[in-house]
Amino acid sequence: EAGVAQSPRYKIIEKRQSVAFWCNPISGHATLYWYQQILGQGPKLLIQFQNNGVVDDSQLPKDRFSAERLKGVDSTLKIQPAKLEDSAVYLCASSPRRDYNEQFFGPGTRLTVL
Amino acid sequence: LAKTTQPISMDSYEGQEVNITCSHNNIATNDYITWYQQFPSQGPRFIIQGYKTKVTNEVASLFIPADRKSSTLSLPRVSLSDTAVYYCLVAPGTGFQKLVFGTGTRLLVSP
Repeated sequence: EAGVAQSPRYKIIEKRQSVAFWCNPISGHATLYWYQQILGQGPKLLIQFQNNGVVDDSQLPKDRFSAERLKGVDSTLKIQPAKLEDSAVYLCASSPRRDYNEQFFGPGTRLTVL
Repeated sequence: LAKTTQPISMDSYEGQEVNITCSHNNIATNDYITWYQQFPSQGPRFIIQGYKTKVTNEVASLFIPADRKSSTLSLPRVSLSDTAVYYCLVAPGTGFQKLVFGTGTRLLVSP
């Protein structure tokens, strides 16, 4: 079974530039999550989708971050404009449904903002 | 969501048993205890989950005392490849799964 796919794996940009990350969850998984993991810390949930609807985006900095999950499959996370403090690994995870006891994580995208 | 406390780091040697204890004093009745493992440059991976007493799978065992205010992840006979960060999480067993990760325990296994 294919796992969660993310691209790109690495991205380097300058502050105030824009960047987008892509996630393809495990086939059939209805729930998709985006996390931000700053070096030395645990992942922090940014947004959760159930199919193509947002369930929780309470920790998403909405002035600069946006995410969408068109057609309830792939998802993109965008940062515009980026700040130095956005340097982190952005992880995508999926699970079959909201109350499933396990989330399956992708390898992440490492973003460096200069 | 209940807050968890676990050691920042632990050291061990190959072949030893490693026990990582997590404190969760404010655990709620419907909360489950879940452990994830994260290797460098990878996303976290689910290891084990339990509600009470003992749970065992092919990777680890999870011991939960009757008061459920703490739990212990036990890794039998660790190898170098078990070097990773281990996260203890507490989340409701029903409803939507909001995982709140702490800083985890960094386990270093040496030869």
